[in-house]
Amino acid sequence: EAQVTQNPRYLITVTGKKLTVTCSQNMNHEYMSWYRQDPGLGLRQIYYSMNVEVTDKGDVPEGYKVSRKEKRNFPLILESPSPNQTSLYFCASSFGSGQGGGYTFGSGTRLTVV
Amino acid sequence: AQSVTQLDSQVPVFEEAPVELRCNYSSSVSVYLFWYVQYPNQGLQLLLKYLSGSTLVKGINGFEAEFNKSQTSFHLRKPSVHISDTAEYFCAVKGNFNKFYFGSGTKLNVKP
Repeated sequence: EAQVTQNPRYLITVTGKKLTVTCSQNMNHEYMSWYRQDPGLGLRQIYYSMNVEVTDKGDVPEGYKVSRKEKRNFPLILESPSPNQTSLYFCASSFGSGQGGGYTFGSGTRLTVV
Repeated sequence: AQSVTQLDSQVPVFEEAPVELRCNYSSSVSVYLFWYVQYPNQGLQLLLKYLSGSTLVKGINGFEAEFNKSQTSFHLRKPSVHISDTAEYFCAVKGNFNKFYFGSGTKLNVKP
């Protein structure tokens, strides 16, 4: 089954404790992206990757890091989480620029930073 | 710059009634247009997309949308809604460099 898999689904952590949210896709998509969803603000892009070893900032990158060492994986790293990073996070993937395909989204990771 | 506006944050409707969720976009280039649905505690699922060709696009669950270039709109419609259609709906535009722009979402609340 074609899918984007995120782990964990739920995470509660304390301020300052480094964490990683994993994302993996099995569709050979070039493009991967991370979003956060907050009430009243919709979806905001954190980082995206056009292909392996190519990443760039989205609209709200502060406090986050990403890497794209393999085509299928795109982990999101919070080096020192803070309470304002409490949010619902989505990973998404699609075929590359010039192709009309839409995103396939993961099921989301609900992160709470206390 | 591209942007997407969903004019209604919430739309209440009775079961079996028709519904229209409005979406307007701004873009200076050709765009691809999408509607996504998010059920409670789930990720976003693609409802339908407009890439080219016929301006009337049919999607899953009986939804359809019409691309109107002159009005820069891509409104979502369903002739008869069900309780199970209660969800949040997002309009999105895919512009240059594969970047997606999402609207702020419309919560559809179907009442019995």
